[in-house]
Parts: sequence; C-alpha cells; structure tokens
Amino acid sequence: SAVISQKPSRDICQRGTSLTIQCQVDSQVTMMFWYRQQPGQSLTLIATANQGSEATYESGFVIDKFPISRPNLTFSTLTVSNMSPEDSSIYLCSALPPTGGNTEAFFGQGTRLTVV
Amino acid sequence: AQSVTQLGSHVSVSEGALVLLRCNYSSSVPPYLFWYVQYPNQGLQLLLKYTTGATLVKGINGFEAEFKKSETSFHLTKPSAHMSDAAEYFCAVGNSGNTPLVFGKGTRLSVIA
Repeated sequence: SAVISQKPSRDICQRGTSLTIQCQVDSQVTMMFWYRQQPGQSLTLIATANQGSEATYESGFVIDKFPISRPNLTFSTLTVSNMSPEDSSIYLCSALPPTGGNTEAFFGQGTRLTVV
Repeated sequence: AQSVTQLGSHVSVSEGALVLLRCNYSSSVPPYLFWYVQYPNQGLQLLLKYTTGATLVKGINGFEAEFKKSETSFHLTKPSAHMSDAAEYFCAVGNSGNTPLVFGKGTRLSVIA
C-alpha cells in the first residue's frame, strides 16, 4: 500500500510563529486531507487539499490560520500560522488512492506540535 | 451527515480477558465502517473495515467487528487481550466515494497484567 512521509514528526514552537508541515506520498493520489487531533479528542477534519485549486475548509477553520498547498498529486503542506498554545495538537494528513476511495485511506505518522 | 459515538473514553481489561470496544454510528447513506489503532507516538493503522457483504469482519491482531444495521453499531472485540493491545482505538465512518472519514473520539485501551 501507499506510504505518506510526514515531516516534522514533532516540534516545539514559540507562540506567534508559524510551522509548515509536509506530506509526501510515494504514489499519485486523488484526495488529500488534513486532520487535527487535540489532546484527548478525536480527529477533526481541517480541510481537503485540492490539487491545483484552493483547499476546501471545514467549519471553524480558515485559510488565514491554516494555509494549505497542493502543488501536485503527491505532495501537500499545511501551515499553522500565528500559533498559540491552543494550537498544540497532533496534525495528520491522509490520502485516498486513485481506486478504492475512502476504503483505502491511509495516513501519515502525524506531527506532534507543542506551542509554548 | 455522518457521525460516530464511541462509548467509554477509557477501557481497562486484564490480560487474557475479552476486549469489547463500542461504536455506534449515524449515517443517511449505507456506511463504510472502520476501526483504526494508534500506538503511542505513532500514526493510525487500519485494524479492519466493513464495506459490503459479510457483516462479521476479521482484522489484524485477532480483532473482529460485527456490523449490525438494526443497532447502528460496529463494536470491536478480541477474545483474549494481550499487553501489546494497549493503545488508542478509533472508530470511523465513511461512504462510497472520495469523502473524508469521520472519526469517533477514541477509546484508550489499557491491559493489566
């Protein structure tokens, strides 16, 4: 099955700064998604990363705070901007292969972000 | 819209005992159902999934789950817990197509020696 390399695996950042998380897939995929997992909470969908167009954001998430890029079919980035301690979470990317849809969804290892 | 409810944020069992993790879903379309496991400091790993066909689904590491449409449930079981089963377990729902999965809040399983 396909593999996502997600970087960094963890980081500790100062409030007010920004962090860009990268996901590289070893094969072309149709859809890519970004999730947030706050401490003790479930995975919440942030946005769908669309190749060649702007990301589609879920309610409660905005582009200015979480800009996303998807320049091609194997790569996406999520930036957490102007961070505050409330942004401390695990961020995960997910992808769907060209066939199988979400029955074959796979995930990156996650980025554990701590904002101090 | 789809949603998932996992009953019990933390379940503790003795080694060798039955593991039962509960998941109920809501879906306006025929659901696809998933269980993922997350070990400490690791990503999500698919345990098993139900899409169509047989309602009793067997997964990795001796886990299985049964889709019960009448009860809108997809509980995860394992006959005999092992220490290595200690992890966070997430139930998720999806449907046919390329939509993102919707996850429950997770259940942390502890196994006591």
